[in-house]
Formats: sequence, C-alpha cells, structure tokens
Amino acid sequence: DAKTTQPTSMDCAEGRAANLPCNHSTISGNEYVYWYRQIHSQGPQYIIHGLKNNETNEMASLIITEDRKSSTLILPHATLRDTAVYYCIVRVDFGNEKLTFGTGTRLTIIP
Amino acid sequence: GAVVSQHPSWVICKSGTSVKIECRSLDFQATTMFWYRQFPKQSLMLMATSNEGSKATYEQGVEKDKFLINHASLTLSTLTVTSAHPEDSSFYICSARDSGTSGGNEQFFGPGTRLTVL
Repeated sequence: DAKTTQPTSMDCAEGRAANLPCNHSTISGNEYVYWYRQIHSQGPQYIIHGLKNNETNEMASLIITEDRKSSTLILPHATLRDTAVYYCIVRVDFGNEKLTFGTGTRLTIIP
Repeated sequence: GAVVSQHPSWVICKSGTSVKIECRSLDFQATTMFWYRQFPKQSLMLMATSNEGSKATYEQGVEKDKFLINHASLTLSTLTVTSAHPEDSSFYICSARDSGTSGGNEQFFGPGTRLTVL
C-alpha cells in the first residue's frame, strides 16, 4: 500500500469547518483513499472513502485532487465531539485487504 | 450501521496467565476479521488476519504461539494472549468487514479491550 503523510496535529474552532490534508503522492491507480478517526480509548470509526471523485456523506466530505496525489477531509461544522486522531489510509479496495495505519492527525476542537 | 463488539472491555491479569478476548460482528457475517494492538500514544499495528474456518495469518514479528487466534464462526473471532507478561499490556482492537452482498469494503472496528498485566 502507498504511504500517506499527514500533519501531526491541528486545532479548529468549534462551529468552523475542519480541513484535514493528506498527501499520498505514490498512490496507485487502483488504490482508494480511506479516512478513519479514533476518539481517545475507542476503536477507530470509518468516516468516508473515495477513488477519484469527491465524496460526501452525513459525516464529512472528501476532496481528492485531480492527480490523486493528495486529498482533504472536511468536517463542515466541527463540534467538540470531533476531537480525535484522524487517519488517512490508501489501499486497494479488495474486501480483505488490511489497513495500514500511520500516525494520523490529532485534531483538537477548541470551544 | 455494522456493529462489532469486544469482550471484555478491560481486563487485569497476573503475569503468566492467559487471557481470551472475543470479537463479535453483531448484525453481519464476517469471513475475515483483523486483530490490532495499540500501545500508548502510538498508532494501531496489525497483528494478524483471522479467517473463518482456517488458520490466521500473522504479521511479521508477531508470535503465533503466543497470540492464539480462533475464528470458529462467521460472527466470532477470539484472541488468546498466552502466558501474558507486562510488556503485553496494550489496547487490543478487532475489526471486521461485512461479507454479505450488501456489504461495502470498509472495515468496522470494535471498541477495544484494554489489557493490563501485573
């Protein structure tokens, strides 16, 4: 699997949009971009994933650049409960392919 | 959404004893489950891939005789830490993917089990 690079930490004011970047310059054509988050002392939670088109669900939006070398996860209206470590992972989309977690971005939402 | 449970949520044991952790998919079937370990302030590290009805596949550096994995049914995988020592103290997390035709490819994670070995 291709590796990803994320900032170690970020702060965002409550109610504002949180934009979390991820670089994956060595991504292959058949690899998807997945985002998970982990709230302290809990298991990771799936957020969203995409291949090349932008995606949106009830939790977040995923913007993937045209060359697919980077992406941004957007939490439109951050709340205190969004404080967590966010992991950007690239992997082929076969069901049993393992996930390789990097160090992620520690997002802190500030009241 | 798909729910994965783990039991127990936390356990404290004496050095040298064995501890079994269960991972269950509550509303879907999972032919494959994954076991991760997470030390404080570190990321998740995959330990092994658990396959229903067959032997688990272990990651490099993970002792298969120490971390016994059994995936006897489509909804249950167990991880047994044998002869636990203080260095095995960690947060153990499982994940599973819905094997059904309506399932996507995302993995769903359990809440984790915190093991403390005295």
